[in-house]
Amino acid sequence: AQKVTQAQTEISVVEKEDVTLDCVYETRDTTYYLFWYKQPPSGELVFLIRRNSFDEQNEISGRYSWNFQKSTSSFNFTITASQVVDSAVYFCALRGAGGTSYGKLTFGQGTILTVHP
Amino acid sequence: NAGVTQTPKFRVLKTGQSMTLLCAQDMNHEYMYWYRQDPGMGLRLIHYSVGEGTTAKGEVPDGYNVSRLKKQNFLLGLESAAPSQTSVYFCASSWLDSTEAFFGQGTRLTVV
Repeated sequence: AQKVTQAQTEISVVEKEDVTLDCVYETRDTTYYLFWYKQPPSGELVFLIRRNSFDEQNEISGRYSWNFQKSTSSFNFTITASQVVDSAVYFCALRGAGGTSYGKLTFGQGTILTVHP
Repeated sequence: NAGVTQTPKFRVLKTGQSMTLLCAQDMNHEYMYWYRQDPGMGLRLIHYSVGEGTTAKGEVPDGYNVSRLKKQNFLLGLESAAPSQTSVYFCASSWLDSTEAFFGQGTRLTVV
């Protein structure tokens, strides 16, 4: 079975603060893929990043960065110098590539981020 | 390209009524998914398909059925709607295991 846990239900910060969203996953597959999505107040789901299980290189894209650690089964997301436009629900997701989980895409419960001006 | 299109966008059903939600994608994707989103519950997988003619159960399949007769379409059926099925439903599709899923705009279903 595969599972994604986002322990932080809601986070509230003031603009320009840095914020880290935690994601912990469980899977028995040796090959798997991790994703982050953003859901702004308008409701659509926007893809942010994907990572495969054999690439632990961290990534930075502008104010966004992702830290993938297989040893702790975590794929955390950091927003540097947060802005009001970052306010959204953020989802972490996992897709296994073998066994009974083949093709299955599982999401975490989501973290509601509110950035105050 | 339209991407992933869900029909209808809104619907109100009475308890016991049936309906079908249609998801259509024009990207030749192999995988398709149906999720429901409820406050505080995230996106929960109802059913999914890894190719034309295949379907599999997700985390919350009870009360729903699906069919993937054509590669581009994934239908979600409610045979006898219940108030507990009031939710926002999202369809998604993706090309391969390693690729991201593209989502439809969602269907807001209310069962009264």
